[in-house]
Amino acid sequence: DAGITQSPRHKVTETGTPVTLRCHQTENHRYMYWYRQDPGHGLRLIHYSYGVKDTDKGEVSDGYSVSRSKTEDFLLTLESATSSQTSVYFCAISARDSLAYEQYFGPGTRLTVT
Amino acid sequence: AQTVTQSQPEMSVQEAETVTLSCTYDTSENNYYLFWYKQPPSRQMILVIRQEAYKQQNATENRFSVNFQKAAKSFSLKISDSQLGDTAMYFCAFMKLGGSARQLTFGSGTQLTVLP
Repeated sequence: DAGITQSPRHKVTETGTPVTLRCHQTENHRYMYWYRQDPGHGLRLIHYSYGVKDTDKGEVSDGYSVSRSKTEDFLLTLESATSSQTSVYFCAISARDSLAYEQYFGPGTRLTVT
Repeated sequence: AQTVTQSQPEMSVQEAETVTLSCTYDTSENNYYLFWYKQPPSRQMILVIRQEAYKQQNATENRFSVNFQKAAKSFSLKISDSQLGDTAMYFCAFMKLGGSARQLTFGSGTQLTVLP
């Protein structure tokens, strides 16, 4: 258990509304990630963070923004949700002191945009 | 950019038998890690096994082992003595070393069903 929680776990929202997903970790890990999972695509990286206020884009960042104002929280925001953003979103961490670079995942958030 | 290919969308195996899941990847990097993750119906992503590219010895974790062929860019997962609890989606993933990202690139997954 890497001490990762995601909230909410499920959300249904309407097209055009803003949505924020939260990832919270309890073990002071430096690296945090947001992925989305869609059928036929596996998991794809949206954004990642390598420290407080240090973030960068991943493969599918269009339409998403992130913020990390403190080590334990990494927020993913959809400024104006679209139906193409219906997906399962996973947060992950990479252990600060791990030499093996494993990533550990939160339980996921299922987001439906109607 | 790296790509990871899992060419078997679905597989099945009888309980107690052995099954091998295939994964190939494309990269120009020399230093990287490879991983297999398991996703059961609960949706939780669980790390199964990892392989460092610089190690020639294949990684093993209990009933799970890999066949890592660096020149062929192949990274297959063998599950021995399959159990019903092994039923899950399995993802192969690549991580380039160096830089700030430690990003994972995933394949599209193989759905494995263990039959009683």
